[in-house]
Amino acid sequence: NAGVMQNPRHLVRRRGQEARLRCSPMKGHSHVYWYRQLPEEGLKFMVYLQKENIIDESGMPKERFSAEFPKEGPSILRIQQVVRGDSAAYFCASSPTTASLQETQYFGPGTRLLVL
Amino acid sequence: AQKITQTQPGMFVQEKEAVTLDCTYDTSDPSYGLFWYKQPSSGEMIFLIYQGSYDQQNATEGRYSLNFQKARKSANLVISASQLGDSAMYFCAMREANTGNQFYFGTGTSLTVIP
Repeated sequence: NAGVMQNPRHLVRRRGQEARLRCSPMKGHSHVYWYRQLPEEGLKFMVYLQKENIIDESGMPKERFSAEFPKEGPSILRIQQVVRGDSAAYFCASSPTTASLQETQYFGPGTRLLVL
Repeated sequence: AQKITQTQPGMFVQEKEAVTLDCTYDTSDPSYGLFWYKQPSSGEMIFLIYQGSYDQQNATEGRYSLNFQKARKSANLVISASQLGDSAMYFCAMREANTGNQFYFGTGTSLTVIP
C-alpha cells in the first residue's frame, strides 16, 4: 500500500531555470495539498487541489508558481525562473476527503530544492 | 498573529524518561483539530496523534498523549518512556473548520534522546 510519492527527492537548479515537482497521492485519495518548508521553519500551506481543479491557492506566490492535478497522472508544482529564495523543502500531502476535521493529511517524503 | 506557537526550539531527554513538548494555538473558530507530527532526519512527516476541540478526553496513542487545556489554548505532546528513535523534529498543527483545508504548523521542536 504505497504512500504519497514525490519525485525527485532532491533537485538542484540554477537561477532562472524551471523546477517541476511531482506528487502522486495515496491510492484512493483525490485531494492534494502542497506545503513549503523553509529552513528552521514549519510547513506553510501553498495550494489545495482536487482532480482538474484548484480549490484554494491562497498560500501560493502570485508569480512564477503554478500547480495542477490533471485527470490522469501526478500533481505538478511548477516554479518558473527560480531564485535563491525558492530553496526549500516542498511537501505534498493527500487525503481521501475533507469532510472530517480529524482527517489527517498523509505527507510525502518531500522534494528538497536547492537553487544555486 | 501566529496560529501555532512552539516555544521550545530544542529539548533533551534521557532515554526511558517522559518529555513534554509545548504547543499553544490561536483561533476564534469553535471547531478545530490539533495534530502532532514527527519529522525524523530522513525528512518525512509522520502523523502521531489528533485532538478535536470538542473531545472531552485527552487523546492517547501508545506512548503519545496529548495534554489538552482548552481554556489555555494549549495542546502539549507528552512522550512517555523515550526511546532513541524518538529523536526528531516535532510539529504541532491545527486545522479549523472554517478554513477547512489547510493545516497551520508551528516552527517545531527538535527532540534529542540521550542514551
